[in-house]
Amino acid sequence: EADIYQTPRYLVIGTGKKITLECSQTMGHDKMYWYQQDPGMELHLIHYSYGVNSTEKGDLSSESTVSRIRTEHFPLTLESARPSHTSQYLCATQDREGTDTQYFGPGTRLTVL
Amino acid sequence: GDSVTQMEGPVTLSEEAFLTINCTYTATGYPSLFWYVQYPGEGLQLLLKATKADDKGSNKGFEATYRKETTSFHLEKGSVQVSDSAVYFCALEMGSNFGNEKLTFGTGTRLTIIP
Repeated sequence: EADIYQTPRYLVIGTGKKITLECSQTMGHDKMYWYQQDPGMELHLIHYSYGVNSTEKGDLSSESTVSRIRTEHFPLTLESARPSHTSQYLCATQDREGTDTQYFGPGTRLTVL
Repeated sequence: GDSVTQMEGPVTLSEEAFLTINCTYTATGYPSLFWYVQYPGEGLQLLLKATKADDKGSNKGFEATYRKETTSFHLEKGSVQVSDSAVYFCALEMGSNFGNEKLTFGTGTRLTIIP
């Protein structure tokens, strides 16, 4: 079982602020993902990475950016937060070999005022 | 493109009732199929999966059978408990052979079990 940590768990911030949501994992998984979850529950893939220095945009266009400098970390940054960014953000990992299961972190609930 | 259509909720049942949550998919090729569960305030957890036609995934009393002929992966449980209250997501993955290892999720079904 993968250990995935997301910080902060909850964040309330004003419009225009720069924020970084942290995601870290201890299992050495190559693949990592960021999902945005609507209040209505639907999940949208916004970024993914298949290894160090690899990042790709997902199916849903997002104003956020990501980086993958180390295998363990996959932070997501919003340069200027807006109320439309209010959502739950879920990070997930997947091993390159064998299982196709994704393991999810507990999520960060972001509210932009 | 690939898609998953999931039974709309919310679904409310009494404890010990029989549960079915319908899931059908559209995909080119033969995807792996998953059910994930999200308990309140948490991330998603894998509940069960099936990787080829006629496979049955099972866990915690839940079952789902991969039906290629009907492109379905319905989730069932014979007797639900209050602790099963959660949001359930059906998902598919085409796999690395198709250059698409990303999960495609359904919209989620909120299940509430009443004592």
